[in-house]
Amino acid sequence: AQSVAQPEDQVNVAEGNPLTVKCTYSVSGNPYLFWYVQYPNRGLQFLLKYITGDNLVKGSYGFEAEFNKSQTSFHLKKPSALVSDSALYFCAVRDPGTGRRALTFGSGTRLQVQP
Amino acid sequence: AAGVIQSPRHLIKEKRETATLKCYPIPRHDTVYWYQQGPGQDPQFLISFYEKMQSDKGSIPDRFSAQQFSDYHSELNMSSLELGDSALYFCASRQIGGLNTEAFFGQGTRLTVV
Repeated sequence: AQSVAQPEDQVNVAEGNPLTVKCTYSVSGNPYLFWYVQYPNRGLQFLLKYITGDNLVKGSYGFEAEFNKSQTSFHLKKPSALVSDSALYFCAVRDPGTGRRALTFGSGTRLQVQP
Repeated sequence: AAGVIQSPRHLIKEKRETATLKCYPIPRHDTVYWYQQGPGQDPQFLISFYEKMQSDKGSIPDRFSAQQFSDYHSELNMSSLELGDSALYFCASRQIGGLNTEAFFGQGTRLTVV
């Protein structure tokens, strides 16, 4: 079974500082990994994905994520946080080995960027 | 660009009533997913359709049913509503071109059962 863990319920960072939102996964094969962001009362917006290739993936709004197979991690990063980045972030996985097409989401991490 | 459209945006129902949620996928997307997100919870997969056939089933209660129509829109039918059904219901669509394509989500329908 595929699963995702986001160990931090909330991450606080000052504006201008780098941010990291952690994600680890468990799948039977090679994972397809995704990050989505959710603003209050809004749907989930796609940020970036890792399918294959370069372990560092760049996405929307200056976000990037690093795939680490040995640590089964896919942490979301941004070099300089903005107050407008404050939102709920979800890591998700799809295990192509199972043939299941639906995403499995982590529990979410609330990012608070202080001015 | 066209996005996933869900209607209604908000719905208030009483216990034991029925509700129907609608989802209109992005044009040319052939797969639709339904998710339920309770307060403070992560989205939980309910059910999905590919080319109008059910393709995967998650934690959808027996009281719920769904289908995808010839125009690819989908409806989630919920009967005998319970207070615990109060949640944000998301629809997402994807174009099958392999498992590596991302899903795009609608803004959700907030269902409140009173």
